[in-house]
Amino acid sequence: EPEVTQTPSHQVTQMGQEVILRCVPISNHLYFYWYRQILGQKVEFLVSFYNNEISEKSEIFDDQFSVERPDGSNFTLKIRSTKLEDSAMYFCASRISYEQYFGPGTRLTVT
Amino acid sequence: GIQVEQSPPDLILQEGANSTLRCNFSDSVNNLQWFHQNPWGQLINLFYIPSGTKQNGRLSATTVATERYSLLYISSSQTTDSGVYFCAGGNQGGKLIFGQGTELSVKP
Repeated sequence: EPEVTQTPSHQVTQMGQEVILRCVPISNHLYFYWYRQILGQKVEFLVSFYNNEISEKSEIFDDQFSVERPDGSNFTLKIRSTKLEDSAMYFCASRISYEQYFGPGTRLTVT
Repeated sequence: GIQVEQSPPDLILQEGANSTLRCNFSDSVNNLQWFHQNPWGQLINLFYIPSGTKQNGRLSATTVATERYSLLYISSSQTTDSGVYFCAGGNQGGKLIFGQGTELSVKP
């Protein structure tokens, strides 16, 4: 069964560094999403992406964040200058119909 | 905006017991999904259920869209069912808004 994959599974970075989280959505899906979950809290929407552009973003998704689909398979989330409060689990999701399929997540730790 | 509320926040069961988790959602929700977050933090799709009833093994879900609630039933619970259960609502296929989750602990 096709699945969303994410790399790396865990990333540790120092405050102020740039990180890129990578996702490979399910191959025939057209809509892509990033969510995050701070430890012990609920999952929060960050951004949705369709037809090579952002379709919606949350207040969390400020100028430090960007997304890209550099080729036909990868979907990336970049954080330009990480802060301590960016420490969280980041989930990628994709869909073709209404049901969203989630990847296993990348745990980002900012020290 | 979309609102999703789950109850109870915590639930402790003995192995073999049955349970019902509830999700209330606002008017603007027309998609609903249930997830299980395992101890490794992965979100496992359980059901996509905007309306009606679905069953998958010991788990089943019912959504009554006209009354804006969904129920997740777990029968004959096992220790491996432990974790956090989230429902999430969306509209027109857009972003999902997650509830706060129900943390389930199944004791042997």
